[in-house]
Parts: sequence; structure tokens; C-alpha cells
Amino acid sequence: EAGVAQSPRYKIIEKRQSVAFWCNPISGHATLYWYQQILGQGPKLLIQFQNNGVVDDSQLPKDRFSAERLKGVDSTLKIQPAKLEDSAVYLCASSLVRGSSYEQYFGPGTRLTVT
Amino acid sequence: AQRVTQPEKLLSVFKGAPVELKCNYSYSGSPELFWYVQYSRQRLQLLLRHISRESIKGFTADLNKGETSFHLKKPFAQEEDSAMYYCALSDFDAGKSTFGDGTTLTVKP
Repeated sequence: EAGVAQSPRYKIIEKRQSVAFWCNPISGHATLYWYQQILGQGPKLLIQFQNNGVVDDSQLPKDRFSAERLKGVDSTLKIQPAKLEDSAVYLCASSLVRGSSYEQYFGPGTRLTVT
Repeated sequence: AQRVTQPEKLLSVFKGAPVELKCNYSYSGSPELFWYVQYSRQRLQLLLRHISRESIKGFTADLNKGETSFHLKKPFAQEEDSAMYYCALSDFDAGKSTFGDGTTLTVKP
């Protein structure tokens, strides 16, 4: 089966600019996750969708980050305006259904550098 | 609050030696624990989960609720085991996952 797709793979922007990341989960996967992974740290959950509804966004900096999952398939994560501390790898993952026993499948990530 | 601690950032062993990657957690409910692995230039992928009680690539992990630990073990390390290993904890109902900061394992020939 095709894996989770993400684009772009790399992005360099200046602080205060805007950026958007795109994720296409595995076909049929109802749950989609966005993680932020800062260098030297583990992935940190930003937002979790179940179909097109938000299940958890408690760690999403809502003053600058936004995410949507239209029609319960693809998802976009946006940062506006970006700060230096947003430099990280942004990972998208999907799972068949919500629930911890279901394996999360990860995409290759988007490496963001904010200068 | 969920928390996962991996005390070792780096771990180096020789091929054929036993290896243990430590993971400690804090969680008020009944946790679901996982180990994920990321090989060089590959995606993060599930290695094993405690609920399955399985052995993958010779690795095993036992959930010790008394010590709140979920250490990953392998009796004889191989060079291809060199990778970054992440311990993760999930809330059963919501599936919200918390990851540790990872341990880089290097297996020397």
C-alpha cells in the first residue's frame, strides 16, 4: 500500500513569513496526526483529526498555527507568522481508526528552517 | 499528564552483546506502550507494542507497572540494529501519543 505522503520535503523561510504543509494519509485511514519534532527531541503531537473533526489540539499554538482536514482525507498545517523556534521537522501520521492499539504510519516529514 | 523519559541519549554496544534501551513513564491511567524505530534515511515506524507481547527482530519489551518502565531488550545486537529508538505512551481512548526524546543506538562491529 502507498504510504503517507507529505510535501514539501524541505522549506526555508524568513521569520514572520507564512508556510503551509500538506499531508495525504493512507487511503481509508480515519485518524490523522500532525507532530512537531525539534532537533534532539521526540515528536510532539500538535493536532489529531478523526475524519474531518478535531479530536485533540491542546498543544497547537493557535495564535500562529492552524490545521484543517477537508473531506476527511488530505490535511494542511499552516504557520503564520513563523518564528525562529518553529524550525523543526513536521511529521504527519495516520492510523486506521482512533485508539492507541492501532499502529500509526508516519510520512517522511517536512524539514522547516526559519531564518 | 503523560510523560515518557528515555534517560540515555546515546548507547553504543558491540555486535553480539546484549542491549537494553530504557524507558520510564508516568501516566495516571492504564497505559499503552510502544517502541518506534527510525533507521537512517527512513521513516519512523512501529517496532513493537506491549499489548501484542510479540518479539520483533529479536527485540522484546516488558511492561513493568510497578516500576513504570518499558525497557527494550535484545540478547545479541546486530549492526543493522543501529538506529534511533523512541518509546511512546498512548491514552487508550483518545489515542493521544506522547513520545520520549529517543535513544541513538550504535552497534559496533
